[in-house]
Amino acid sequence: GAGVSQTPSNKVTEKGKYVELRCDPISGHTALYWYRQSLGQGPEFLIYFQGTGAADDSGLPNDRFFAVRPEGSVSTLKIQRTERGDSAVYLCASSLGTASYNEQFFGPGTRLTVL
Amino acid sequence: ELKVEQNPLFLSMQEGKNYTIYCNYSTTSDRLYWYRQDPGKSLESLFVLLSNGAVKQEGRLMASLDTKARLSTLHITAAVHDLSATYFCAGGAPAMRFGAGTRLTVKP
Repeated sequence: GAGVSQTPSNKVTEKGKYVELRCDPISGHTALYWYRQSLGQGPEFLIYFQGTGAADDSGLPNDRFFAVRPEGSVSTLKIQRTERGDSAVYLCASSLGTASYNEQFFGPGTRLTVL
Repeated sequence: ELKVEQNPLFLSMQEGKNYTIYCNYSTTSDRLYWYRQDPGKSLESLFVLLSNGAVKQEGRLMASLDTKARLSTLHITAAVHDLSATYFCAGGAPAMRFGAGTRLTVKP
């Protein structure tokens, strides 16, 4: 079956611009996660959703970052007033539920470059 | 918040040799995960370790978990070039915390 998909695969923007990154989870997965991976580093947790609600957004670095999942399926990560330090690969994952035994399946990522 | 430390960060091995990657974590975690990442690719799940003393093996890779020592290991047996990748351990699901990764290069 189809895995987690993310669009776009690459996004180049200028400092100060607004960007939206999209994630389509595996069908039937109620939990959705966003991570950020900087070059040479491990993924860093940003936020996760159970259904439509953000269950934990403690990893969002500041109020320029926001994520939504209005219908409990597709999610959009929104970044306002982008900065060069936001350049990274943004990974989305989904799982059947949020219990720790539910394996997270990762998408291919969106590579964001802020010039 | 769970902290995860891996070592070594870089590992260059000869084909046919054995080596172990170590993963220490700071607080209790229900599960400990190992992932593989090839350059420019996403994360591929290798192992989920559920309890103290758990050992899982797949091909030339074997992972173990010691919850009392807060230590997991990934042992590589008779390395081959195809194992070259970056390996991450992670815990603290659902909001997972990852180690910095071990970049493994297997040379002929």
